[in-house]
Amino acid sequence: EIVLTQSPGTLSLSPGERATLSCRASQSVSSNYLAWYQQKPGQAPRLLIYGASSRATGIPDRFSGSGSGTDFTLTISRLEPEDFAVYYCQQYGSSPLYTFGQGTKLEIK
Amino acid sequence: QVQLQESGPGLVKPSQTLSLTCTVSGGSISSGYYYWNWIRQPAGKGLEWIGRIYTSGSTDYNPSLKSRVTISVDTSKNQFSLKLSSVTAADTAVYYCAREPPGYHYYMDVWGKGTTVTVSS
Repeated sequence: EIVLTQSPGTLSLSPGERATLSCRASQSVSSNYLAWYQQKPGQAPRLLIYGASSRATGIPDRFSGSGSGTDFTLTISRLEPEDFAVYYCQQYGSSPLYTFGQGTKLEIK
Repeated sequence: QVQLQESGPGLVKPSQTLSLTCTVSGGSISSGYYYWNWIRQPAGKGLEWIGRIYTSGSTDYNPSLKSRVTISVDTSKNQFSLKLSSVTAADTAVYYCAREPPGYHYYMDVWGKGTTVTVSS
């Protein structure tokens, strides 16, 4: 099983600042198979990024993804108030087919 | 625009079978070569993939749950379903259904709002 480890567990920033979230895989993951989701309290996850760097439909361009192999990054260039949420990375490939990171909580400082 | 809606009992007794249905609206479950997934999330915890089904009926399951899980599809009702047997308190969670589009990338682009299932006597 490929384990995804997200860091930091909690990130405290202010609106307007830049956020950098990390997702590290225990084995190499194809960039095609790495996605990021945003989840707000009481809501379902929302797809942000797929294929490591492609933004999903309707996602603002302040969200960007990068990385390859075992290290992937989600960057939010200038935080808006609505961006404070929990973020999950997800990989597809080995058994089980899908695994998720444990999440990074982005909170207002 | 495709929407998904989970439904089913919110309370299940230990050792019984949890049964949930996901209704697809705004499009046909049979068209577009999609996979249809179930994911769960215990309160305050992360996401766990349960399994998926293709409209042909072929399935993939998480090995940690495989012995207890059955996912099926009813194309006439535009629904797919989850059955989880021999439940315990550890199966208490919010259960989501989600769509996985075809292609070379693997992700879930449309999610239901989720339904809370509590396992308790």
